Amino acid sequence: KAGVTQTPRYLIKTRGQQVTLSCSPISGHRSVSWYQQTPGQGLQFLFEYFSETQRNKGNFPGRFSGRQFSNSRSEMNVSTLELGDSALYLCASSWRGLFQETQYFGPGTRLLVL
Amino acid sequence: GIQVEQSPPDLILQEGANSTLRCNFSDSVNNLQWFHQNPWGQLINLFYIPSGTKQNGRLSATTVATERYSLLYISSSQTTDSGVYFCAPYSGNTPLVFGKGTRLSVIA
Repeated sequence: KAGVTQTPRYLIKTRGQQVTLSCSPISGHRSVSWYQQTPGQGLQFLFEYFSETQRNKGNFPGRFSGRQFSNSRSEMNVSTLELGDSALYLCASSWRGLFQETQYFGPGTRLLVL
Repeated sequence: GIQVEQSPPDLILQEGANSTLRCNFSDSVNNLQWFHQNPWGQLINLFYIPSGTKQNGRLSATTVATERYSLLYISSSQTTDSGVYFCAPYSGNTPLVFGKGTRLSVIA
């Protein structure tokens, strides 16, 4: 079974631009969660989607948004990029979600904002 | 929210040595995972271990949920074990909460 995939793997943007990252979960998984990793703040939860509905949200500004499609693929969008948005963005998938089972992570998208 | 403390923050080992990594968490949880983050950033699942003990090759983990800690044992370490190890407790209504990790360097 293929693992979680994320595209693109690397991205360079400038301040003020917007960016869209994509995550394809393991086949059959319906929950997708997004995390941001920075050297200063570590790994922080952004949001979780389950069956196309956002079920949980972390403490991030409204510039960070996401959605999930009927095939469980998820996208996250960051608008009006700031230098501090430079980070590794990881997504994780699981079958039932609700954070009750093993979460499987993708390889991440490394975003650099100049 | 849940607070997670991992120790030690950094660890340098000679190849072949054994080590124990510790994870303390502040609240009751019913799930916990250990991950190894490789140099490219991917989080590799090591164990899903809400309680009890599990072993996988040279690695084993023990979680004592009632005392709010988990241990990861690495025996006969190899250079490929280098990287950052994270524990992440979570429960039915909270997402994974990551500690700051233990950075392990195994020297040949």
